[in-house]
Amino acid sequence: DAKTTQPNSMESNEEEPVHLPCNHSTISGTDYIHWYRQLPSQGPEYVIHGLTSNVNNRMASLAIAEDRKSSTLILHRATLRDAAVYYCILRAPIYSGAGSYQLTFGKGTKLSVIP
Amino acid sequence: DAGVIQSPRHEVTEMGQEVTLRCKPISGHDYLFWYRQTMMRGLELLIYFNNNVPIDDSGMPEDRFSAKMPNASFSTLKIQPSEPRDSAVYFCASSLQVGSEAFFGQGTRLTVV
Repeated sequence: DAKTTQPNSMESNEEEPVHLPCNHSTISGTDYIHWYRQLPSQGPEYVIHGLTSNVNNRMASLAIAEDRKSSTLILHRATLRDAAVYYCILRAPIYSGAGSYQLTFGKGTKLSVIP
Repeated sequence: DAGVIQSPRHEVTEMGQEVTLRCKPISGHDYLFWYRQTMMRGLELLIYFNNNVPIDDSGMPEDRFSAKMPNASFSTLKIQPSEPRDSAVYFCASSLQVGSEAFFGQGTRLTVV
């Protein structure tokens, strides 16, 4: 399984942008990059995913390096509600048949937002 | 849709007792996943179903654990007999397809004393 490396924790001031890094140097050409987050006492929730191009949605942006060995989740204006553990996950495509399309969670980055 | 619904939210039981956790997936989702979360091991996939059929149960820790999905709207995870080391938060998730966005329930916090 391709692995990801994330900082254990990060801090951000409220209403400032946050850049959460993820290294995945062994990513294969067909692995998708997924981000989930887990708010305190809740189940994980989907944030965003991408393959090669940068992606934007209402929650966040995903910037993917040209060589795909790293990516960055961008929260444009952190709010207190964004305090959570953020997980960067690699998923193989469905047709891989290897079971690596499953969501395998690492330790993630715990984001603290300072009022 | 109300999302993935799990019950109970909290369960406290004595060692040796049988515990049954329940999950109602989002209607129309063909895939259902059971996860366990502990401080030591993080989030672990236990088993997943496709169209009510168990596909991969390699994450089930031992024979004391069993999971069923009798129909598309209901699944159970049973532990018999329960042990203190089974104490954890158990999450159920469902998705339209195996590679698509997964929706998680609020979890069941199990404490075995």
